[in-house]
Amino acid sequence: TQLLEQSPQFLSIQEGENLTVYCNSSSVFSSLQWYRQEPGEGPVLLVTVVTGGEVKKLKRLTFQFGDARKDSSLHITAAQPGDTGLYLCAGPDYGGATNKLIFGTGTLLAVQP
Amino acid sequence: DTEVTQTPKHLVMGMTNKKSLKCEQHMGHRAMYWYKQKAKKPPELMFVYSYEKLSINESVPSRFSPECPNSSLLNLHLHALQPEDSALYLCASSQESGMMGTYNEQFFGPGTRLTVL
Repeated sequence: TQLLEQSPQFLSIQEGENLTVYCNSSSVFSSLQWYRQEPGEGPVLLVTVVTGGEVKKLKRLTFQFGDARKDSSLHITAAQPGDTGLYLCAGPDYGGATNKLIFGTGTLLAVQP
Repeated sequence: DTEVTQTPKHLVMGMTNKKSLKCEQHMGHRAMYWYKQKAKKPPELMFVYSYEKLSINESVPSRFSPECPNSSLLNLHLHALQPEDSALYLCASSQESGMMGTYNEQFFGPGTRLTVL
């Protein structure tokens, strides 16, 4: 069974601080996605990383896919209250052979003004 | 149009009621999903429809009954629910897995907040 473990589970920081969220697995994933879910809304896709070692930037967010494609990280620079939400990594089950996505355990981020 | 819509936004029902949740997308996606989500937890997959046929049922109790009338619509019929079924129900859609250049990226609706009394 493919599992994705995220750490930390909860994170409360002050506006302007930097943070990193980790997504780890013992299995190889063909790609990994990151979603952000704001309170009362559905998850929104932020990025998909496909190639081992790949780094993608989205404004203050930097995403990295591990060389072995078993892990990924999300780094936020100068966090803002608008970054508050549940961050989820997710990867296709069995390399995308089915339509199923495996979701990570989630990281709940609160950015205090 | 990159939006998935869900109605209603909120639903309160008794354990003997019958109600339905509705989901619609116009992105031409041929895979559609129902998820159940408890507070601060990741979504749990319930059902997957592929080309309007049920392809995955994650051992969901029969009091939840999905329906896919056409490629744009997805319903979830609810009957005799229990209080522990109270949750956020999310609908999502994606390109069919295996299509070139796709990674099963899913587009979610805002969800229906269901409370069972």
